[in-house]
Amino acid sequence: GENVEQHPSTLSVQEGDSAVIKCTYSDSASNYFPWYKQELGKGPQLIIDIRSNVGEKKDQRIAVTLNKTAKHFSLHITETQPEDSAVYFCAAIPNTGNQFYFGTGTSLTVIP
Amino acid sequence: DSGVTQTPKHLITATGQRVTLRCSPRSGDLSVYWYQQSLDQGLQFLIQYYNGEERAKGNILERFSAQQFPDLHSELNLSSLELGDSALYFCASSTRDRPKTGELFFGEGSRLTVL
Repeated sequence: GENVEQHPSTLSVQEGDSAVIKCTYSDSASNYFPWYKQELGKGPQLIIDIRSNVGEKKDQRIAVTLNKTAKHFSLHITETQPEDSAVYFCAAIPNTGNQFYFGTGTSLTVIP
Repeated sequence: DSGVTQTPKHLITATGQRVTLRCSPRSGDLSVYWYQQSLDQGLQFLIQYYNGEERAKGNILERFSAQQFPDLHSELNLSSLELGDSALYFCASSTRDRPKTGELFFGEGSRLTVL
């Protein structure tokens, strides 16, 4: 089955700096790659996703890039703010199945 | 608010006991997923139901079972509890059996503590 690895596990940045979280996947059949944000005491919430026929997608301060050949995708957050502090999960969804394969999460702390 | 409701929010019990976690999906969603999130672990997929039928199974222990009822709510039953079962259990719902996008709607979780 699919195996998703996520790095780093923790990340601290100064407010206003950029944050980058990287994920790799193993199954070439995976074609959807969502990112979820989990705030303290809450369930994960979708913040952005990308399909395999797209190399980059942007939504305000958040962007995701995908390299299908290398099987890796990344989340980029620019101009970070304290409210960006949360745990971020990447996921991969093979087109052959029902499962969302999640990475192990990155705890992002934005220092004011 | 995602629209997914999970009860109870917190549960403390002893080893060997049995508990039931309940999930009501978003209105109109037919698919329910259960995930386990242990300390320092990611989201481990347990099981998925679609319109009352089991659709996919992940790393679910034999001591655990689930079902989805005709009104589409779902229950996760955990029995012969062990200390290692202490975790946050999430329910998520989606409209489709095989989501075409990454849109899973998560509840706020049920935190189980086994003493």
